[in-house]
Amino acid sequence: SQQGEEDPQALSIQEGENATMNCSYKTSINNLQWYRQNSGRGLVHLILIRSNEREKHSGRLRVTLDTSKKSSSLLITASRAADTASYFCATDGNRGETSGSRLTFGEGTQLTVNP
Amino acid sequence: DGGITQSPKYLFRKEGQNVTLSCEQNLNHDAMYWYRQDPGQGLRLIYYSQIVNDFQKGDIAEGYSVSREKKESFPLTVTSAQKNPTAFYLCASSINDRVLGYTFGSGTRLTVV
Repeated sequence: SQQGEEDPQALSIQEGENATMNCSYKTSINNLQWYRQNSGRGLVHLILIRSNEREKHSGRLRVTLDTSKKSSSLLITASRAADTASYFCATDGNRGETSGSRLTFGEGTQLTVNP
Repeated sequence: DGGITQSPKYLFRKEGQNVTLSCEQNLNHDAMYWYRQDPGQGLRLIYYSQIVNDFQKGDIAEGYSVSREKKESFPLTVTSAQKNPTAFYLCASSINDRVLGYTFGSGTRLTVV
């Protein structure tokens, strides 16, 4: 079953603008991760935020997490045409397991950055 | 370079045939996973393995089988029982540590002809 749901499904912006994508999930989590997928390729891990963190930065990426609302957002600042891709959130649910992880992915946001 | 390799990149299957997708990693990762992705959709978990000689069904295991005889390898067989196998298949691996992400292969696109 899909745990995360991204919003919007598609986003089109001009180069230089900021892009914000949102993710909502249903159950408690250990951490939430964001991945990027270029068309026809595998996914690339971007950033991970733990359940006890509220905000995290990596370069032009900023991720926030609100566990009370079960939601996260990914902000890409000063977007470039090369940022065009699909972006997925993935949650590592709290199943009480002591080792290993099993990620559940949302359906993704297709971001298009126009030059 | 360490990484995860899927082969072939494209695969065509006739009705009623079994086909096997290869996934090999040299990252010394303990866990490996198979996901299926349909056009415009997210990823759905087929099977996963956290240790050699052990694996568990994911959310859509029917019509698929796997083996994990070696740490480096986690092949996926799409059997004739899978009625709608046309999809993009992604293999991933991870250390058995909940604070790290997955490394994905570049995928195999399977088409039924």
